Amino acid sequence: EPEVTQTPSHQVTQMGQEVILRCVPISNHLYFYWYRQILGQKVEFLVSFYNNEISEKSEIFDDQFSVERPDGSNFTLKIRSTKLEDSAMYFCASSGFDEQFFGPGTRLTVL
Amino acid sequence: RKEVEQDPGPFNVPEGATVAFNCTYSNSASQSFFWYRQDCRKEPKLLMSVYSSGNEDGRFTAQLNRASQYISLLIRDSKLSDSATYLCVVNRGGLTGGGNKLTFGTGTQLKVEL
Repeated sequence: EPEVTQTPSHQVTQMGQEVILRCVPISNHLYFYWYRQILGQKVEFLVSFYNNEISEKSEIFDDQFSVERPDGSNFTLKIRSTKLEDSAMYFCASSGFDEQFFGPGTRLTVL
Repeated sequence: RKEVEQDPGPFNVPEGATVAFNCTYSNSASQSFFWYRQDCRKEPKLLMSVYSSGNEDGRFTAQLNRASQYISLLIRDSKLSDSATYLCVVNRGGLTGGGNKLTFGTGTQLKVEL
C-alpha cells in the first residue's frame, strides 16, 4: 500500500538554526499539506500546496516558514530561524480528491 | 468558541462495552466530516467519513446532524485494540479532502480494559 514517508523521524536543533523537514508524498497525489501537533495539543493546519504553489496557509505559517517541491517526489518544510515554541511533531499529508494520508511525522525539538 | 469541540476524556471502558463520542463544530459552512484515530505519538489515520444519512463500518457507526452541528461516533463491542485517541475532523471544502485544510478537535481518549 502506498504511504507518505518523512525524514528525519526526530530532529534536534538549537534555537535560531534553520531546519528542513522532508516528505515524500504518495506518487499520484496532487495536494500536499503540512500540519503540526504540539505535545498534548490538537493537530493544527500549517499549509496546503497544489500545482507548485501555496493554496492556503494558517496564521502559524509566518515568514519564517516556507515550503517547496524541489523535484517530482519531495515536499519540504523549511523553518528559517527556529524558536522554542516550534518544538512539535510535524506531519506531512497528501491527497487526491479524497482522503488525506498522513506521514509518520518528524518530531522537532528546539533547544 | 472552538472550531471543533470534543470531550477529552479519558473514557475507560471494559472490553465488550459500547461507547459513544460526541463532537460539535462551529462553522456552519463545513461540508465534510471525519473521524480519525491517533495512537500515541503516531500520525492520524482515517477511521471513517461521516455522512448526513449516517454510516456504519463494522463495529463503528457515525452520525451527522447538520442542524445541530453535531457529529457522533459509536463503537460497539470494544476491543483492547480500540484504545486510542479519536479525533473529530471537519473540512469546509466540498471535496472530502482534496486541497482543503482539515480542522481537528483535541481528541477523545479511549482506554479499553480487560
